[in-house]
Amino acid sequence: DAGITQSPRHKVTETGTPVTLRCHQTENHRYMYWYRQDPGHGLRLIHYSYGVKDTDKGEVSDGYSVSRSKTEDFLLTLESATSSQTSVYFCAISDPGLNHNEQFFGPGTRLTVL
Amino acid sequence: AQRVTQPEKLLSVFKGAPVELKCNYSYSGSPELFWYVQYSRQRLQLLLRHISRESIKGFTADLNKGETSFHLKKPFAQEEDSAMYYCGGKLIFGQGTTLQVKP
Repeated sequence: DAGITQSPRHKVTETGTPVTLRCHQTENHRYMYWYRQDPGHGLRLIHYSYGVKDTDKGEVSDGYSVSRSKTEDFLLTLESATSSQTSVYFCAISDPGLNHNEQFFGPGTRLTVL
Repeated sequence: AQRVTQPEKLLSVFKGAPVELKCNYSYSGSPELFWYVQYSRQRLQLLLRHISRESIKGFTADLNKGETSFHLKKPFAQEEDSAMYYCGGKLIFGQGTTLQVKP
């Protein structure tokens, strides 16, 4: 597996609380992504980053924010968690110059919002 | 808008039967497509790239620009092929197809 870790791996929280998920890579890849995986919807892009402090929205960005202050870390924040954000969150990395946009995925974070 | 569609949520076959997981795309410009596989409770991992005509674990996929398809095929399914399969590009994925191979 590529050097991608996610923390925490599991989290249970309550509606209205802020939550931050961390993705860490040791591959020095330029692009980083956050996806959510839900039954019936597959994998949907939340936000992505194409460099330090360079981010853009994905298909389902409402209610989420991201930050990338270092190449190796990409944070996903739920400012005020809702039950609809219960999901499995995957981080991914890629480097078009190396791998033709092939993505390497982290192990996932299972988030439950009560 | 770019779109990747996997029309089947579930595909169930018997061991030894041929398998075809469908993927259709709508892309501006040249598509860059991949097949990823996710075994139970594991991370997604790359299975095939559109740019290479390789066979991985007996699977092949050909990009058909005329039909805008990138179907994944295997002539003889094995039980260990049971998994979720995603067709995807740079920023977009299909909904995924669960392949169930019965003994």
